[in-house]
Amino acid sequence: AQSVAQPEDQVNVAEGNPLTVKCTYSVSGNPYLFWYVQYPNRGLQFLLKYITGDNLVKGSYGFEAEFNKSQTSFHLKKPSALVSDSALYFCAVSPMNTGFQKLVFGTGTRLLVSP
Amino acid sequence: NAGVTQTPKFQVLKTGQSMTLQCAQDMNHEYMSWYRQDPGMGLRLIHYSVGAGITDQGEVPNGYNVSRSTTEDFPLRLLSAAPSQTSVYFCASRQTGQLLGNTEAFFGQGTRLTVV
Repeated sequence: AQSVAQPEDQVNVAEGNPLTVKCTYSVSGNPYLFWYVQYPNRGLQFLLKYITGDNLVKGSYGFEAEFNKSQTSFHLKKPSALVSDSALYFCAVSPMNTGFQKLVFGTGTRLLVSP
Repeated sequence: NAGVTQTPKFQVLKTGQSMTLQCAQDMNHEYMSWYRQDPGMGLRLIHYSVGAGITDQGEVPNGYNVSRSTTEDFPLRLLSAAPSQTSVYFCASRQTGQLLGNTEAFFGQGTRLTVV
């Protein structure tokens, strides 16, 4: 069955330091991969996606993610964290074997950036 | 454009009551879906629709019904509310056709439902 794993419930980082939020996936075929962010009491907002091409994709608010096919990972990164980046982050996959009709989400990682 | 609009934002129900969560989008997206968000479980797909008149079950469909009579609207019905349905519910829409797989979802702001 297709699945997405976010192994860290919470990531703590100091403002100005680089951040990484981890995501691994298990699906058949070549999936489409997404990152979303959720601020308190809000819906999810799209950050970036990997469809094909360059393994490093850039998205909103200075975030980027690296697709690694051999490790089946799609880690979210940012060179310099801001306090305003504190939020809940979700990795999602759109598997080929569902006709790309479904988005399967990870359990989420809470990012806390301290001043 | 308003995007995806959900109503109500908050609701308290008694066990056994029924209600409908409303979802509307103004982006002419054919694909719409309902998720529930529970702590430590991420978002789980309840039902989805690839177009008017077409619906299908997701991961956790029991206790919920949907219909899709128009492209814009995708209401979620709780037939007989149970405490296990206490959750935050999100509606989402995506552009479809050849672009379905690689398009991002747009989410509503959510409905926080408590069943007592």
